[in-house]
Amino acid sequence: GAVVSQHPSRVICKSGTSVKIECRSLDFQATTMFWYRQFPKQSLMLMATSNEGSKATYEQGVEKDKFLINHASLTLSTLTVTSAHPEDSSFYICSARHDPNTGELFFGEGSRLTVL
Amino acid sequence: AQRVTQPEKLLSVFKGAPVELKCNYSYSGSPELFWYVQYSRQRLQLLLRHISRESIKGFTADLNKGETSFHLKKPFAQEEDSAMYYCALRGTGNQFYFGTGTSLTVIP
Repeated sequence: GAVVSQHPSRVICKSGTSVKIECRSLDFQATTMFWYRQFPKQSLMLMATSNEGSKATYEQGVEKDKFLINHASLTLSTLTVTSAHPEDSSFYICSARHDPNTGELFFGEGSRLTVL
Repeated sequence: AQRVTQPEKLLSVFKGAPVELKCNYSYSGSPELFWYVQYSRQRLQLLLRHISRESIKGFTADLNKGETSFHLKKPFAQEEDSAMYYCALRGTGNQFYFGTGTSLTVIP
């Protein structure tokens, strides 16, 4: 099956710094990737849709200047949390669709961000 | 607006007993619904989708447009079914919206 990989799996940073999380589709090309945020014991909240070669589409309430998304190639999307604060601490998960006809999403393993 | 509701956060059943995980949705168009599962220490993965009308690992789910539901069912639960289950809806923009999830525990 299709594989999506995230890096890093865990990151700890100081308040005020920026953190970049990478999402790669390893064996397929993904024109669209999705970024989710998961709070403890809660559901996945869709943050944005990352589109290769164009601007990301953000969900309502998600600050685009805070969560910068870049989809520079068909196999890589990055999420940068800028000027991170403790409330940004969370589990961030990316996903991609291999076959647009099936609609199946393949998920990365997630990245746990802790902001001190 | 689209919404997926899973009313049960936790569900425990005994091995061999039937299990039903509830999912209700709100969507103005024609919905496309999925069940995803996350086993311990693993990533989310697709379990089944309503379009294919398949049975995976003994699980089935029927889309009931009248009741706006897509409940997941299995007649005889197994210990290996213990996991987190998420109901998801695919929107017109191809975004996926997830319910809050149900943690299923199958008691030996």
